[in-house]
Amino acid sequence: EPEVTQTPSHQVTQMGQEVILRCVPISNHLYFYWYRQILGQKVEFLVSFYNNEISEKSEIFDDQFSVERPDGSNFTLKIRSTKLEDSAMYFCASSEFRGAYEQYFGPGTRLTVT
Amino acid sequence: AQKITQTQPGMFVQEKEAVTLDCTYDTSDQSYGLFWYKQPSSGEMIFLIYQGSYDEQNATEGRYSLNFQKARKSANLVISASQLGDSAMYFCAMREGRGSSNTGKLIFGQGTTLQVKP
Repeated sequence: EPEVTQTPSHQVTQMGQEVILRCVPISNHLYFYWYRQILGQKVEFLVSFYNNEISEKSEIFDDQFSVERPDGSNFTLKIRSTKLEDSAMYFCASSEFRGAYEQYFGPGTRLTVT
Repeated sequence: AQKITQTQPGMFVQEKEAVTLDCTYDTSDQSYGLFWYKQPSSGEMIFLIYQGSYDEQNATEGRYSLNFQKARKSANLVISASQLGDSAMYFCAMREGRGSSNTGKLIFGQGTTLQVKP
């Protein structure tokens, strides 16, 4: 069964450093998303991406964040200068179309900022 | 205002019994979708079930069913014949909008932790 993959599974970084979280969405999917979940809290939407541009972003997704689809398979989230409060699980998700019944999530990347 | 409300932070159920996890939502859109996801202790998000706002029948997927009461804006998840492997966090989520106003964004509730007792 096709699945969304994410690397790395766990990333530890120092405050102020740049990190890039990588995702490979399901191959025929056209819509891509990033969500984050601070430990013990709810899952929060960060950004949606379609046709090589951002469709919507939340207030969390400030200038420190950017997304890119550098090739036909990868979808990345970059945090330019990490803060302690960026520590969270980051989930990538994809769907075949906007109104899809299912939005498939990857296993997540746990980001720890020290 | 909270768009998705899950009022039960934690629930217990005896193995083989049925359990209902509550979810209420708030939207002014006529077209929306409701989702339930399971998050085991390993952390991944597993899609369980979907209900569209125009669907007249309640959605069912195996042991999962969604009790959709549109007038009350509730979308409760019913798990029948609970198993030990059902112990996890369960999230209700909503996608609003139609056409170009629908970007696919999901809004999640706070989650309910379910523990199944042997």
